[in-house]
Amino acid sequence: EIVMTQSPATLSVSPGERATLSCGASQSVSTNLAWYQQQPGQAPRLLIYGASTRATGIPARFSGSGSGTEFTLTISSLQSEDFAVYYCQQYNNWLWTFGQGTKVEIK
Amino acid sequence: QVQLQESGPGLVKPSETLSLTCSVSGYSFSSGHYWAWIRQPPGKGLEWIASIYETGSNYNHPSLEGRVAIFLDTAKKQISLRLSSVTAADTGLYFCARVVADSWSGYPKYSDSWGQGILITVSS
Repeated sequence: EIVMTQSPATLSVSPGERATLSCGASQSVSTNLAWYQQQPGQAPRLLIYGASTRATGIPARFSGSGSGTEFTLTISSLQSEDFAVYYCQQYNNWLWTFGQGTKVEIK
Repeated sequence: QVQLQESGPGLVKPSETLSLTCSVSGYSFSSGHYWAWIRQPPGKGLEWIASIYETGSNYNHPSLEGRVAIFLDTAKKQISLRLSSVTAADTGLYFCARVVADSWSGYPKYSDSWGQGILITVSS
């Protein structure tokens, strides 16, 4: 099983600032990585797949990068609706694994 | 636009079997997707449980092997999950999701649509 590790656990950011979230894999997953956003009490929403491709309807302020074992999700200018928990997920094989999540909170 | 809606008992006694159903609307089952169940223990992260393709081939999480079964009924447009011998550790929010399939490997990739989830509590 591939272990996904996200950092930091909590990120305190002011509105309008840039947020950088990290996700590491215990072995290479190529670019088979997705990012999801989850608001309290809601289902996750797909943001990024293929490590860097934005899903339909996702604003351009969200960007993903990386390959192999190191990945980054960047939110260029945080809006009020972006304060949430973010999860990475690898799909390099059929045994999916998720990171433990990064909570982006208002500073 | 595809919509998914989970349904189930809400409360299950320890050692019993949990049965959940996901009803799908706005989708044609000849389009070549996987369907998955994913759960979230209270205050914790996401855990993949099982996935099934529209042909019926499926994958289960190894840690749940022997307890979990996933079914697809394309005529009823439903995906079902059964989890036997439940314990308090199975308490959580259970989501069903549509999953994009990899055209080369045939593996499930990422979830592009999710249901709102159903809270399941295991307690006597």
